[in-house]
Amino acid sequence: AQSVAQPEDQVNVAEGNPLTVKCTYSVSGNPYLFWYVQYPNRGLQFLLKYITGDNLVKGSYGFEAEFNKSQTSFHLKKPSALVSDSALYFCAVRPSWKAGNMLTFGGGTRLMVKP
Amino acid sequence: KAGVTQTPRYLIKTRGQQVTLSCSPISGHRSVSWYQQTPGQGLQFLFEYFSETQRNKGNFPGRFSGRQFSNSRSEMNVSTLELGDSALYLCASSLTDGLAGNEQFFGPGTRLTVL
Repeated sequence: AQSVAQPEDQVNVAEGNPLTVKCTYSVSGNPYLFWYVQYPNRGLQFLLKYITGDNLVKGSYGFEAEFNKSQTSFHLKKPSALVSDSALYFCAVRPSWKAGNMLTFGGGTRLMVKP
Repeated sequence: KAGVTQTPRYLIKTRGQQVTLSCSPISGHRSVSWYQQTPGQGLQFLFEYFSETQRNKGNFPGRFSGRQFSNSRSEMNVSTLELGDSALYLCASSLTDGLAGNEQFFGPGTRLTVL
């Protein structure tokens, strides 16, 4: 069975500073990895994914994530945070070899960007 | 292109009743997945339908069921409601069966409150 850990319930960062939201995963075989963001009273919005290839993945709104197979991590990063980035962020995984779109999510990390 | 739509957006029911939630995927998407989101358990996978067949099922009791119609629209049903079923129910659609690593697109959710 697969699992995802987001070790920080909340990350605080000042506007303009770089941000990192951490994610580690466990899955048999190669993973498909995803980051989603959730704003209040909204569904999840897709940010980026790792399927194969380059370990640095670029996504929406200036976000990027680095896949590290040896550390089984997929941390989300942004060079310069905006107040509007404040939201709940979820990392998700599923095995690449298995048909189906069933995702296992981490517990979520609340990002607070202060002006 | 219209996004994933879910109806109703809000529901209030009492214990013992049953409820049906509806999801219309993005046009052309054949996979529909359902997730339950609660503060305590986070995001948990319920089930997935692809071409009218249930392909994956999460660890939920038999009171939770679903189906998919030929136009890819999906419904989920919860019978004999319990207080613990109060949650945000999210529907997600995807273009294919998942092996290509397509991302899922989420609807805004249905907020179910059980009194």
